[in-house]
Amino acid sequence: AQTVTQSQPEMSVQEAETVTLSCTYDTSENNYYLFWYKQPPSRQMILVIRQEAYKQQNATENRFSVNFQKAAKSFSLKISDSQLGDTAMYFCAFMNLNNDMRFGAGTRLTVKP
Amino acid sequence: DAGVTQSPTHLIKTRGQQVTLRCSPKSGHDTVSWYQQALGQGPQFIFQYYEEEERQRGNFPDRFSGHQFPNYSSELNVNALLLGDSALYLCASSLFRGRGEQFFGPGTRLTVL
Repeated sequence: AQTVTQSQPEMSVQEAETVTLSCTYDTSENNYYLFWYKQPPSRQMILVIRQEAYKQQNATENRFSVNFQKAAKSFSLKISDSQLGDTAMYFCAFMNLNNDMRFGAGTRLTVKP
Repeated sequence: DAGVTQSPTHLIKTRGQQVTLRCSPKSGHDTVSWYQQALGQGPQFIFQYYEEEERQRGNFPDRFSGHQFPNYSSELNVNALLLGDSALYLCASSLFRGRGEQFFGPGTRLTVL
């Protein structure tokens, strides 16, 4: 069974600085998807970024980028130029080709003014 | 374009009762997945419906059942409620043969007393 581990329960960053959230996963499959979701206090889960395992190039979405290390089964999220609105719970998620999605326990990120 | 909608927003039940939660997927999506998110934890996969059939199931007892209708909307039913069933229940929609993204609804907060 696939497992997703987020080893940082809480993190904080000053506004305008850069922060990296860690995620590791365990799977025996070769093709899969990885995601980072954001859940603000209003609770609606929002997709931040996705990565397909067969693509070597790291995904980027504006201020958000990932460092995907397939051999190490690592999938970290970098947030550049942090904004107050980035304050939220961030969940790393793994999905196999059967659409079975597993989430990590989350990292609570606080952006300080 | 309406996103994923869920009803009701909040629900309070007592132990032993039964509950039905409802979800309407994002327009154009054909697959609905349900998750249970306990306070302070990541979402746990319950099951997924496509073409009105349960396609994948997580580690949840048979008290949790579901249904998908021809219009792709879905219901989650929980029988014989336990105190431990108190959680936020999230519905996510996607395309079965899509790029893997799941779009989440705002959730239903279930409290079992």
